[in-house]
Amino acid sequence: AQTVTQSQPEMSVQEAETVTLSCTYDTSESNYYLFWYKQPPSRQMILVIRQEAYKQQNATENRFSVNFQKAAKSFSLKISDSQLGDTAMYFCAFGVGTSYGKLTFGQGTILTVHP
Amino acid sequence: EPEVTQTPSHQVTQMGQEVILRCVPISNHLYFYWYRQILGQKVEFLVSFYNNEISEKSEIFDDQFSVERPDGSNFTLKIRSTKLEDSAMYFCASRGTSGQETQYFGPGTRLLVL
Repeated sequence: AQTVTQSQPEMSVQEAETVTLSCTYDTSESNYYLFWYKQPPSRQMILVIRQEAYKQQNATENRFSVNFQKAAKSFSLKISDSQLGDTAMYFCAFGVGTSYGKLTFGQGTILTVHP
Repeated sequence: EPEVTQTPSHQVTQMGQEVILRCVPISNHLYFYWYRQILGQKVEFLVSFYNNEISEKSEIFDDQFSVERPDGSNFTLKIRSTKLEDSAMYFCASRGTSGQETQYFGPGTRLLVL
């Protein structure tokens, strides 16, 4: 079974600054995917970024990038130039590549961006 | 851009009543999922559905729950006799073929059981 741990229940950052959200996972699988989802107050789940485990290069999407450390089973999300609209709950999620693909989520980190 | 839709957005029901939550996945997707999120807690997997049958289910998905794809577009979750602890946000998700691993989520249905 897979586990996903987000050790930061809450984080805050000033607008325009950079913040990093932590995520660690545990698995015996070799083929898997990692995701960060954003959940604003509306509670919609919005994909932020994904990383394939077989890729060494860290994924980036505009202001969002990850630091994927496979040996350490760590998958952190860096948000650069934080904006007020980034205020949300952020969930790290794990999916096995060869199965029917259920996602296992971490507990979430509430990020607040202050003006 | 295609998106997953869910209806209703909110549902209030009495304990013991049956509810059906509806989802329209993205049209060319093949894998469908239901998740739930109790307020303040993490998102939990309920069930996955592929090729018109359940492919995997969690221990939460007991005999009170069922899923169905009654036609080519809808995907439903039925709770036969609701309990207070079924109050949660229910998310539908879908994804494409193998190799397209990203799951796209609907906006959720907020279920309140009184």
